Parts: sequence; structure tokens; C-alpha cells
Amino acid sequence: GAVVSQHPSWVICKSGTSVKIECRSLDFQATTMFWYRQFPKQSLMLMATSNEGSKATYEQGVEKDKFLINHASLTLSTLTVTSAHPEDSSFYICSASLSGGSYEQYFGPGTRLTVT
Amino acid sequence: KNQVEQSPQSLIILEGKNCTLQCNYTVSPFSNLRWYKQDTGRGPVSLTIMTFSENTKSNGRYTATLDADTKQSSLHITASQLSDSASYICVVSPYGGATNKLIFGTGTLLAVQP
Repeated sequence: GAVVSQHPSWVICKSGTSVKIECRSLDFQATTMFWYRQFPKQSLMLMATSNEGSKATYEQGVEKDKFLINHASLTLSTLTVTSAHPEDSSFYICSASLSGGSYEQYFGPGTRLTVT
Repeated sequence: KNQVEQSPQSLIILEGKNCTLQCNYTVSPFSNLRWYKQDTGRGPVSLTIMTFSENTKSNGRYTATLDADTKQSSLHITASQLSDSASYICVVSPYGGATNKLIFGTGTLLAVQP
């Protein structure tokens, strides 16, 4: 089956620093990648949708200058949390799809971010 | 408004027992309905995916049903195991367009006890 990896699996950073999270589709080319955030005991919340080679589409309320998304290739997307604050602490999950949300999305294992 | 609601919010069962989780949705029209299993601290893993024309789909001990008329789905787990302890999420994909977003339910947290 399709495998999506994330790196790192967990990270602790100091307030004000930036953190980059990588999402890779290991055995397929992902036209579209999605970034989600999940707070404890809540469901996944879509942050942004990115298509290879184009700018990401952010959901309402998600600051594009704070959460920088780059989808430079069909197998790699990165999420950079800039000037992180404690309230950014969350579980970040990416998913990859062959084409758009109506097709099967394969989720990564998630990245636990803790900002101190 | 497109919504997906799940019940119960949480459930505790003994190992070896069966259980059924419910999902009601208002998404219309929709392309497909999915059930995911999410272990604590991990990403969701797909269990089943059904189009509106499918009534049931099985994956091992997991059987999902879909009634598109009443907009209800269920996930039945047979002979539960300790490893079934997880959150089970019902997700609906609206019909049409490559950029349609998935609509997530809030999940049912299942605990299987020995």
C-alpha cells in the first residue's frame, strides 16, 4: 500500500524559533498533499492543501505567513512553523493523494510539536 | 452545513466482544465515506472506503455498512482485540471537484479491556 512518512516524529523547540516538518510519499507520486492539525481529543482540522509546483491554499483562520508550505516535488511537502509559540503545540499530520481530496488520502504518522 | 457526527463518543468493551460504531452525516451529495482507525499519537489508517452505491464493505474483522437514503453508516468490529483500542473516525468526501475537502467526524474512542 501507499506509504507516507513524516520527519521528525516529534520535536521540542523554544518559543520564537522556526520548525520544519517534512512529509514524503515513499512509493507513489502525490499530486496533492494536505496538512492537518489535531489538538488532544479533537478530530483533524485541515490547515492547507498544496499541489505540486503551485502555492498552497490555506483554510480560513490559518496564517499563511506563519505556516509556510512548500510542495517542490511530487514526493515531498514541507510545513514550516515560523516564530513558534506555545499555542502552536499540536499534532501535525500530513496526507498525500494521487489527485485531490476525493481520491484516497494516505496519512503520515504525524509529528508532535511542543513549543516551550 | 456539511457535518459528520459519530456515536458514542467513547466505548469500553471486553476483549472478544463485538461492537458497533455509528456515523450520521449531512453531506450531500457525497462521493465516498471512509472509516479510519487512529492509534494514539499516530496518523489515521484507512479501514474501508465506500461509494454511495455500496452497502457494505469488510476488512478482516471490520465491517462497514452504508445507508445512503438515511445518511447513516456503521462500523462493526467482531471479536475485539486489545489492539483495536483506538479512535475510529468516520470521514465523508463531498462529490465533485478535485479540491473538495474531507469532512471529518469527531471520532469514537474505543477501549478494549482484557
